[in-house]
This record gives sequence, C-alpha cells and structure tokens, in this order.
Amino acid sequence: DAKTTQPPSMDCAEGRAANLPCNHSTISGNEYVYWYRQIHSQGPQYIIHGLKNNETNEMASLIITEDRKSSTLILPHATLRDTAVYYCIVRGRLGQTGANNLFFGTGTRLTVIP
Amino acid sequence: DGGITQSPKYLFRKEGQNVTLSCEQNLNHDAMYWYRQDPGQGLRLIYYSQIVNDFQKGDIAEGYSVSREKKESFPLTVTSAQKNPTAFYLCASIGEGQGNYGYTFGSGTRLTVV
Repeated sequence: DAKTTQPPSMDCAEGRAANLPCNHSTISGNEYVYWYRQIHSQGPQYIIHGLKNNETNEMASLIITEDRKSSTLILPHATLRDTAVYYCIVRGRLGQTGANNLFFGTGTRLTVIP
Repeated sequence: DGGITQSPKYLFRKEGQNVTLSCEQNLNHDAMYWYRQDPGQGLRLIYYSQIVNDFQKGDIAEGYSVSREKKESFPLTVTSAQKNPTAFYLCASIGEGQGNYGYTFGSGTRLTVV
C-alpha cells in the first residue's frame, strides 16, 4: 500500500474551514484514499473515502488532485469538537489485497481554536 | 445500533499475568483486526482475521494470541511474553457495505501493567 505524508499539526479558528493536506505520490490506480479521525482516547472514526472524483458527505469533503498524488480533507465549518488527529490512508479496495488492513501513520493533529 | 464493543475500557495487569481483551461486533463483518497504539504514535497491527477459524499475524504479533471461533468475537490475549504491554488497544472490523469500505473501530481498551 502507498504511504502518505501529512503535516504533524495544524490550527484552525472555530467556524472557519479546516483544510488538511495529504501527499500520496506513490498511489497506484486501484488504491483509494481514506480519511479517519481520532479524538483523544477513542477509536478512530471513518470520515470519507474516494478514488478519483471529489467526494462530499455530511462530515466533510475530499478533494483529490487530477494526478491523484495528493488530496485535501475539508471540514467546512470547524467546531471545537473537530479537534482530533486526522489520518490519511491509501489502500486497495477490500478484497484486492491480502491483509485488507489500513496503515495508520501519525496523522495531523488538528486543533480548533475558539 | 450496530457497532463494536470492547471491554473492559481500562485493564490493569500484574507482571507475568495473561489478560484477555474482549471485542464483539454485531455488524456481520467478516474481517476483524487488533491494533496497538502507544502515546503519540500511529496504530500498529497485531493480528487480523478475515474469516472464522482463521487469523494472521500482523506487524507486532509477538507476545499476543487471538482466536476467532465466532464471527462476532475476536478476543486478544496479552501474554506474559509481551514485554511492554502498556498501551491503548483498538479492535476494528470491516465489511463491504453500500459504498463504505472503511473500518469500524471499538472505543478501545487501555491496558496498564502495574
């Protein structure tokens, strides 16, 4: 599975959009981009995933560049409850790789400031 | 609501003791995983199981054992051979739902050696 690079930390003002970048320059054609977040001392929570097209759900938007080598997770109106560690992960579709496990690096620690 | 239940939330172990962490899911997911998380670190895969009665070692399986006798249950035993067991343990499962290929995580068990 392709590895990812994320900034270790970011701050965002409450109510503003939080844009979290992720580089995955070695991503292959059949690998998806997943985003999870982990609030302190809880299990990670799935946010969104995508392959090529931009995706949006009730939590966030995912923007994937045309060459797929990077992506940005957007939280449109950050709240204090969005303070967490955000993980960007790339991997193949379920069933296409042996382990189906996701590699969680150290992620980006997002702090939403009042 | 469907989900993953981990118990206990906090667990204290004496040196030389084996302890078992429980993980139960009612999501009808085939694949289940155990991760370990140390302070400020990402998640490291201990064991995973893609089907009942079958499981595979992850990256840091030494000192741990698992069983998968039922689809719903994937208990993890931390044996006395695990030299540094103090950590946050996360159980996860994955199933092919309607477009969501992400993990569902439990809320974790924090194990401390006393």
